[in-house]
Amino acid sequence: DAMVIQNPRYQVTQFGKPVTLSCSQTLNHNVMYWYQQKSSQAPKLLFHYYDKDFNNEADTPDNFQSRRPNTSFCFLDIRSPGLGDAAMYLCATTAGFATNEKLFFGSGTQLSVL
Amino acid sequence: GNSVTQMEGPVTLSEEAFLTINCTYTATGYPSLFWYVQYPGEGLQLLLKATKADDKGSNKGFEATYRKETTSFHLEKGSVQVSDSAVYFCALRVIQGAQKLVFGQGTRLTINP
Repeated sequence: DAMVIQNPRYQVTQFGKPVTLSCSQTLNHNVMYWYQQKSSQAPKLLFHYYDKDFNNEADTPDNFQSRRPNTSFCFLDIRSPGLGDAAMYLCATTAGFATNEKLFFGSGTQLSVL
Repeated sequence: GNSVTQMEGPVTLSEEAFLTINCTYTATGYPSLFWYVQYPGEGLQLLLKATKADDKGSNKGFEATYRKETTSFHLEKGSVQVSDSAVYFCALRVIQGAQKLVFGQGTRLTINP
């Protein structure tokens, strides 16, 4: 059974139209991450939550926001998507920051911007 | 800074061929090193890891050895199968107030029967 679930699998939005991607987990993990993976590029960390504490990467554009209403769910909001935001968005979770903790990834949401 | 450089793809091999995918890294300190695999339509899955110099990670016939002297973590498999077709990512983990993975750009592997 999937432990990190991302919906939808494919998302199409229009240029400038706000879009929300969702991630849920059944692992009760404290930490949730959002990565952006553009075609043929490395996944790039956007931000993460440790419990309710939000941590933004320094180079994440302001256009990207996140919400975590409870332990199980985390949302990625793109306020005004541009063509350059078309990518695969990956959610990942881990129990904590101990060196032996494993990351669990969802299947990703492929975002297209028209 | 921290970075990972992987062998350019795509790589196409015949079944039962020997596989090497090169990975080198730049990091401060001594990071843990990982190989992740992404099958079509799926998320990233941990394939193997090594947490210190000279450690060898292995799983499903794949191996990689943490070489501090050459800052490398090359992935190898002696005899590949069609089911190994996927994208492979080398990654290092840093602890900067949080556990973070820094990925290479990925190498697409296709195995032909």
